[in-house]
Amino acid sequence: DQQVKQNSPSLSVQEGRISILNCDYTNSMFDYFLWYKKYPAEGPTFLISISSIKDKNEDGRFTVFLNKSAKHLSLHIVPSQPGDSAVYFCAASAVGNEKLTFGTGTRLTIIP
Amino acid sequence: DAGITQSPRHKVTETGTPVTLRCHQTENHRYMYWYRQDPGHGLRLIHYSYGVKDTDKGEVSDGYSVSRSKTEDFLLTLESATSSQTSVYFCAIRKSWGLAPYNEQFFGPGTRLTVL
Repeated sequence: DQQVKQNSPSLSVQEGRISILNCDYTNSMFDYFLWYKKYPAEGPTFLISISSIKDKNEDGRFTVFLNKSAKHLSLHIVPSQPGDSAVYFCAASAVGNEKLTFGTGTRLTIIP
Repeated sequence: DAGITQSPRHKVTETGTPVTLRCHQTENHRYMYWYRQDPGHGLRLIHYSYGVKDTDKGEVSDGYSVSRSKTEDFLLTLESATSSQTSVYFCAIRKSWGLAPYNEQFFGPGTRLTVL
């Protein structure tokens, strides 16, 4: 049972345009959500997070939106840059739970 | 950089042999985790630790054991490696931020394990 789903295995976006990566979850106990970025042959790096008490969190070119009623979050990258080409994982955790549940990842390719 | 190292970074072994992967952290964080990453599956939790000698299973723990005798080291052992355990293994730590409900984890560089 995949509790965190990233339904798009890959996404290609023109440099300078907006990249939108999507994530859906099924567990209503999840209350904290994170995005990680992973380059080949490296460990995932934390990118941005959002608590369920918010619907938006912004950090430079990266913004995460949370729609609790739809159990959906998205990561917006604008403008997209070649260095953004990577695999992006969303993750979720529940109150009092020290574990993260990850999605299967979306490979983002920025086209120069 | 969360001060996490993993060793070895690459290993090729044969079916049936024991393998131990090491994760070392320099910041004395309480929580440590072992994940495996496989195509189509993302990152899946194998085992985690919430203190010295305190460990618990994750979603894919069969065939794996762990030990934590010191705060800084978390070992993952494959008692008898199988080809299905060919994967990239990541260690992670969780940084605590006082009373805040933060749950960010920070990852090591990974170990690529091939079981022939």
